[in-house]
Amino acid sequence: EDQVTQSPEALRLQEGESSSLNCSYTVSGLRGLFWYRQDPGKGPEFLFTLYSAGEEKEKERLKATLTKKESFLHITAPKPEDSATYLCAVQGGSEKLVFGKGMKLTVNP
Amino acid sequence: DTGVSQDPRHKITKRGQNVTFRCDPISEHNRLYWYRQTLGQGPEFLTYFQNEAQLEKSRLLSDRFSAERPKGSFSTLEIQRTEQGDSAMYLCASSQQPNQPQHFGDGTRLSIL
Repeated sequence: EDQVTQSPEALRLQEGESSSLNCSYTVSGLRGLFWYRQDPGKGPEFLFTLYSAGEEKEKERLKATLTKKESFLHITAPKPEDSATYLCAVQGGSEKLVFGKGMKLTVNP
Repeated sequence: DTGVSQDPRHKITKRGQNVTFRCDPISEHNRLYWYRQTLGQGPEFLTYFQNEAQLEKSRLLSDRFSAERPKGSFSTLEIQRTEQGDSAMYLCASSQQPNQPQHFGDGTRLSIL
């Protein structure tokens, strides 16, 4: 059974304090690993797709990387508007996404 | 690109009542997915359609749940004889290809009294 574990579950940072979020996964035949951002009361907003180990994607202050067992979401010099829950999901043999529980990020000014 | 639209945004009902939610996907997307999310958890897959064909259903989808996509455009999710445990956010997503990103709507929040 495909599984995703995210750590830490919650993270508080000061504005400008860089950090990384971890997503460990087990999947039979990875089709893709997806990162989403979710604000309270909203649906997940797509950030990145990674398809193979060694791949990296960047968008503004965010950078996602992928190995055969885990993915990292690096946040460089975060701002308060980066505060959200970040979700990691994998797609394996089926088209369904299997999500982790998410990581709640709070960035204090 | 108008995004995935879900209606209603909130639904409050009494235990035992039937409820129906609607999802309008992004117009050129032929794949449509339903997920359920409870507080502090990630979304859990319920079912998905390719055009009008329902191709996969989760074990979470009891026989009280039924989903349709009659013309391959919008979809409805019906829950019959609602129970307290059905309280959750019901999310719809759509995509163009199997391993392309799934784009989510803002969900329908269901509260069972």
